[in-house]
Amino acid sequence: NAGVTQTPKFQVLKTGQSMTLQCAQDMNHEYMSWYRQDPGMGLRLIHYSVGAGITDQGEVPNGYNVSRSTTEDFPLRLLSAAPSQTSVYFCATCLRSYNSPLHFGNGTRLTVT
Amino acid sequence: DAKTTQPTSMDCAEGRAANLPCNHSTISGNEYVYWYRQIHSQGPQYIIHGLKNNETNEMASLIITEDRKSSTLILPHATLRDTAVYYCIVRDSYNFNKFYFGSGTKLNVKP
Repeated sequence: NAGVTQTPKFQVLKTGQSMTLQCAQDMNHEYMSWYRQDPGMGLRLIHYSVGAGITDQGEVPNGYNVSRSTTEDFPLRLLSAAPSQTSVYFCATCLRSYNSPLHFGNGTRLTVT
Repeated sequence: DAKTTQPTSMDCAEGRAANLPCNHSTISGNEYVYWYRQIHSQGPQYIIHGLKNNETNEMASLIITEDRKSSTLILPHATLRDTAVYYCIVRDSYNFNKFYFGSGTKLNVKP
């Protein structure tokens, strides 16, 4: 099992460009989420999904869109990249239980110039 | 929301036990304590979690005080590869999504 797979690992964008960060999981977890981590800071929740067809906003959703058409995939779209979106992005999944740990992918490092 | 307090950094000699403390004095009775670590900028790696009882797995042990206001993560025989930032997290019992990663403890394992 691959667990949680994120692609690409690295990406450089120019201001105003759009792109999609991919996240795929083979753990059959209902819950999927996107976090961003800025230097010296903890992780902040962007968007999350509790199942296929259901998404909701986290604490820093502006500038990002998500969709969840399948259990396995949860892409994150940057509509018009801004330098403030330079960050490391992590996808995480778990079962819908407080007793289920989040499992993280290895991240996508995004630079917006 | 229950928050956690951890030392900024700690040193440990290779082969010795590393004991990482965490205070969570406002924890509620049904909130779990989770521990993760992050090596360089890799994804956070799950280590262990618990509610009331002490827990042990192949990576570490988790000791939770009886009043649940603090906990200690124990790495029994630290290696250089255990050098990382360790995060203690209390999972919010009212909002499934609230999984606060604070600043963590930078553990430096030295030869």
